[in-house]
Amino acid sequence: AQSVTQPDIHITVSEGASLELRCNYSYGATPYLFWYVQSPGQGLQLLLKYFSGDTLVQGIKGFEAEFKRSQSSFNLRKPSVHWSDAAEYFCAVGYNNAGNMLTFGGGTRLMVKP
Amino acid sequence: KAGVTQTPRYLIKTRGQQVTLSCSPISGHRSVSWYQQTPGQGLQFLFEYFSETQRNKGNFPGRFSGRQFSNSRSEMNVSTLELGDSALYLCASSFYLWASAGELFFGEGSRLTVL
Repeated sequence: AQSVTQPDIHITVSEGASLELRCNYSYGATPYLFWYVQSPGQGLQLLLKYFSGDTLVQGIKGFEAEFKRSQSSFNLRKPSVHWSDAAEYFCAVGYNNAGNMLTFGGGTRLMVKP
Repeated sequence: KAGVTQTPRYLIKTRGQQVTLSCSPISGHRSVSWYQQTPGQGLQFLFEYFSETQRNKGNFPGRFSGRQFSNSRSEMNVSTLELGDSALYLCASSFYLWASAGELFFGEGSRLTVL
């Protein structure tokens, strides 16, 4: 069965520091990969997505992610974190012939220290 | 352009009751998906509708059902509520048939508390 793992439940970084959130997936073929962000009391907002092609994808709010097939990973990065980035981040996988059904990881809650 | 609208935003029910949640997708979007979000289980897919037809269904008991109307608005129903049904129910809409083609837009959710 397909699965998505986000190993870090909580991460705390200082404002201005770099950030990397980890995501590993389990799927036989090339997946469609997404990162979403959820602020308290809000729905999910798409940060970026990978379908094919260049393995380094750029997203909104200065985020980027790199697809590494050999490691089954799709880690999210940001060079300099802002206090407003504090939120919960979800990695998700979509599949061929699965319509708009996504499988989500458990999420990583990011806290930003001033 | 209005986003995905979910109503009600908050509701409290007691065990054994039933509940209906509503989702109005972005204008022009024909795909509507529902997800349940809980602290213990995270985000889990419930079902997806496209042009009034259920395309995919997650691993939930038959107490969870849904439908989509000709105007693409969708409702989900949970009958015989259990304490474990307390959750944030999120609706997402898309213009496209496939997740690979475009973005899912999420509503702010309906937070259900079962007492």
